[in-house]
Formats: sequence, structure tokens, C-alpha cells
Amino acid sequence: AQSVAQPEDQVNVAEGNPLTVKCTYSVSGNPYLFWYVQYPNRGLQFLLKYITGDNLVKGSYGFEAEFNKSQTSFHLKKPSALVSDSALYFCAVRDRSNDMRFGAGTRLTVKP
Amino acid sequence: ETGVTQTPRHLVMGMTNKKSLKCEQHLGHNAMYWYKQSAKKPLELMFVYNFKEQTENNSVPSRFSPECPNSSHLFLHLHTLQPEDSALYLCASSQVGGLHEKLFFGSGTQLSVL
Repeated sequence: AQSVAQPEDQVNVAEGNPLTVKCTYSVSGNPYLFWYVQYPNRGLQFLLKYITGDNLVKGSYGFEAEFNKSQTSFHLKKPSALVSDSALYFCAVRDRSNDMRFGAGTRLTVKP
Repeated sequence: ETGVTQTPRHLVMGMTNKKSLKCEQHLGHNAMYWYKQSAKKPLELMFVYNFKEQTENNSVPSRFSPECPNSSHLFLHLHTLQPEDSALYLCASSQVGGLHEKLFFGSGTQLSVL
């Protein structure tokens, strides 16, 4: 069965610094990987996805993610964090069964 | 606005009550989902409906009963819940047709079982 792991419950960064939110996956066959963000009192919003092609995927709000097949990772990155990026971030994977499976989430806090 | 609306936003119920959560999507999608979100745990996929047919039930207790009368509406009927069922219940929809399809989520119903 496919799954994702987000090893960090919490990530703290200073505004203007680069940020990384980690995700590793386990799936049979080719992975279809996603990142979602959840702001307070809101549902999850799609950020970006990897299907095939370039290992570096660009998404909304300046975020990008790097697919690494050998390390089975799909880390979310942003070169310069904003206070408004503070939210809960979820990694997800989908395989041939077509069900989207999510990680436990990582809370990102960007301090001024 | 994601095009997926959930009501109510908050619900407090006793263990003997019967209540229902409602979800409506205005996106023309043909698949709808219920997820349960508990703190520091992966989102739990509860039910999946494709073209109004239930295609997945992830060993969810029978005190949760889904209903999908048409492709735009999804309900979750609740009865004799337990305190551990307190969580944020999220509805989502998608267009089934490829593994690249993303989910669109509602804002959720925050459920408290007393």
C-alpha cells in the first residue's frame, strides 16, 4: 500500500530564509506526488504535483518541490519564506488505486 | 472559495444524538470523498464515491453512514458517536480521469462529541 511520511511535526524558520518541508514516500509503481497547504479554519489547498518529467516542480506562492527517486523523497522548498507562509503542509501520494493518501502534516512557522 | 461547501462549520453532539454533515460541490466533478483529520495523524480516507457509487469504505465504524444522492451532494450521517470521533471532517471532490487529478476540499466540519 502506498504511504507518505513527514518526519517533522514542526518547522520554524525566520522570514527571508529558505525553507524545506520534508516528505518521503512508499509506493509500488510510478508515484504521483502532491503537496497541499491548510491555513487556519480552512480546508486543504493544492500547491503542486509531480507526475513525470522534470524532477523540480514549481507551484503556487513561489513554492517548489524536488522529486528524488533514489531517496524516495519529495521535499517542499521555498527560497525565501514569508510570515504568511505559516500553515500546515501535507504531502500526499496517489497510485493506481487512485486513492489520495496523506501524511500527518508539518506545521510551518515563519517568524518575522 | 474552492467550490466545495460544507455545513455546518461546527457541531457539538452528545453520544446519543443523530446528526448529519452535508457537502456540496459546484465544480461538476464526478468523485467525492470524506476524510477525517485528527491532530498529528495522517488524514484518514473514510469513504469514496465515484459517479454516486461507493467504491471505498476504509473499515469505518458503522456509526458513520455516508450517502451520495447525486454527484454534487454528499452526506455523512452520524449516530451514537464516541468522544474519540471528535475531529475535523473534510469533504473533497475531484474529476476522475487520471492519477494527476487534484482534490478540492471544503473548509470542514469541526465535530465535538461530548
